Formats: sequence, C-alpha cells, structure tokens
Amino acid sequence: AQSVTQLDSQVPVFEEAPVELRCNYSSSVSVYLFWYVQYPNQGLQLLLKYLSGSTLVESINGFEAEFNKSQTSFHLRKPSVHISDTAEYFCAVSDRNYNQGGKLIFGQGTELSVKP
Amino acid sequence: DARVTQTPRHKVTEMGQEVTMRCQPILGHNTVFWYRQTMMQGLELLAYFRNRAPLDDSGMPKDRFSAEMPDATLATLKIQPSEPRDSAVYFCASGLVPSSYEQYFGPGTRLTVT
Repeated sequence: AQSVTQLDSQVPVFEEAPVELRCNYSSSVSVYLFWYVQYPNQGLQLLLKYLSGSTLVESINGFEAEFNKSQTSFHLRKPSVHISDTAEYFCAVSDRNYNQGGKLIFGQGTELSVKP
Repeated sequence: DARVTQTPRHKVTEMGQEVTMRCQPILGHNTVFWYRQTMMQGLELLAYFRNRAPLDDSGMPKDRFSAEMPDATLATLKIQPSEPRDSAVYFCASGLVPSSYEQYFGPGTRLTVT
C-alpha cells in the first residue's frame, strides 16, 4: 500500500517570491509520482510527473519537482510565483504494477495563496 | 480538445432519493476512475474500471453506491438511498494504462444531500 503526506496544508507567499511545496510518500513498491493542481471550482489538472529518467521534471509554467528516492520525497518548487498560481496542489503516487490499474493515491493537498 | 465530461455539474437532493452521476471519458482511454472529494477526507478513490470491467470498488460503501460502465462512452455512479454524509464533489477521471499513467479529470459533480 502507498501513502502520501503533504507537509503543509497552507502556504501563503508574496508574488515573485520562491515557493516549495513538500511531499513525502511511503511505498513498498516502485511508484510513479505526480503533482496535480486544482483551481477553484474546477477539476484537477496534471502539472508534472515523474515516470523514469531524469529525477528533475519541469512543467510548462515554471514549476519543477525533484524525485529523491532515498528521502522518498517529490517536492514542488517555483523560483518566482504569480498571483495566477493561487490554487490547491496535490501530490499523488501510482503503483507501477499494471495490474493495479494506474490508480492514484493523493495527499491531502496544499493550498498555495499568492499575495500581491 | 478532448475532455472528460460530467453531468450534472450540481445536484441538490433530499435524503433518501436516488442520485445518478454520469461521466463521458476521453475517447480511446481504457481506464475510468471515480473519486470523491470532501474537506475532511480529501480525495478518495471510490472505484475504477479498465476496458469497462470493474477492477476495484473497495472504496465505495457497497450497500448504497454502485458504479457501472454500460458502454465505452459512459460511466455511471449511483447512490441509493442518498444520505447527508454523501455530500461532496464527485470526480470522474480517465486514462490510458499502461501507455500513460496520467489521469484526466472531469469538472466534477457537486452533490448536496439535505
């Protein structure tokens, strides 16, 4: 079984400041890792994913996350945030085993609030 | 632009009534998921299907919830009878496993049971 812990439920930050949203996971098997973003009254959208290869993955809007196997972490970072980044961010894991069907286990979410 | 669609977007009903939520997955996706989101529990996986066959519904209260895929373009989630504790946002998501483990989420159905 897997579990995901997002260490901060709320992160307030000023515009143009850097931000880090922390995510740790627990699993007895190899996993894929994801970050999803949810804007108010919308569904979740994939922000970025780690499947294999380089442990540093990037999104098109400036976010990046680094897979750290030894620390079982997948923290999300952005060097300079915008007001439009205000949203809830979810870290998720998926068992690599095809028979598990690709189901996602989510963390509790981190509410990022960017202030002017 | 392929999207997952869900109907209705909002539903208000009285306790004891039947509720049916519908989802149209992205054409060509072979796996469909139902999630429930509440403030207290966060995002919970209720059930999922691959190629229309149920893989796991252990997250659902069996006595009142049921999930089906009558065809490849429609997934349904039913609650009968509904209870106030079922009030939540229900999301459907679809994906193509094992080609990609990404899931594409619909906009959700916000259910309020009074």
